[in-house]
Amino acid sequence: QLQLQESGPGLVKPSETLSLTCTVSGASISSSSYYWGWIRQPPGKGLEWIGNIYYSGHTSYNPSLKSRVTISVDTSQNQFSLKLTSVTAADAAVYYCAETVDYKFDYWGQGTLVTVSS
Amino acid sequence: QSALTQPASVSGSPGQSITISCTGTSTDVGSYDLVSWYQHHPGKAPKLMIYEGSKRPSGVSNRFSGSKSGNTASLTISGLQTDDEADYYCCSYATSSTWVFGGGTKLTVL
Repeated sequence: QLQLQESGPGLVKPSETLSLTCTVSGASISSSSYYWGWIRQPPGKGLEWIGNIYYSGHTSYNPSLKSRVTISVDTSQNQFSLKLTSVTAADAAVYYCAETVDYKFDYWGQGTLVTVSS
Repeated sequence: QSALTQPASVSGSPGQSITISCTGTSTDVGSYDLVSWYQHHPGKAPKLMIYEGSKRPSGVSNRFSGSKSGNTASLTISGLQTDDEADYYCCSYATSSTWVFGGGTKLTVL
C-alpha cells in the first residue's frame, strides 16, 4: 500500500521560503509509472494544484505560482520536495502531497498545515 | 488557468440522488476525458471517487457515477447515505500538462 507523509515547518515568516518534503513508502519514487504532486487548500477555500514532478525531474507547475515554485525529487531518500519563495498570508494552507498516475491523484498524504506569520 | 466552476452546496435526503456539476472550458474539461472527482472529509486526505470522467476505482461504491457533456462534467450520487456528507471536488487535466480543480461543493445529507 502506497503511503505519503508530508513534513516541514508549520510556521513560515512572510517573504521567506516555504519548504516541505513528502516521504513515499510502498513504492519507488523512481518508478516510471508515477508522477508526484503537491496540492494545497487555504483555510475555507478549495483545492489548488501546485505542481507535479516525474522521477526524471521533469516538472509542470500551476501558471499562477510558477515564478515562485520549485519541486524536486530525491530518489536516494524516496522523497520529493516543494519550495515556495516569497510567501505571503495568501500562501497559508494545508499542503498535500499526492501520487499521480494516469492523470488522477490516487493516493494522498494526510496534509500539513503551514501558517504564514511574523 | 481558472478554477472549474462547481455549485457551492447541494443537499439531499437519505436514499435520494444528487448531481454535482463541474464546468470548465475547451482547454480543460472540454478537451480531455480526464476529469476526476474527490471526496474530502475535513481533516482527512481527499479520496479519489471517479477518474477519466466515469470510471470508479476499486472499492468505491457503484452509487457514485460520473459523466461529461461538452465543457461540463457531473458527479451523481444515488441512494444518499449520511456518510456521503463531505466536500466534493472535480479536477481536470488541462493544456500544457497542468491540472485544475473546481472550487468544491459541500454536500449536506439532510
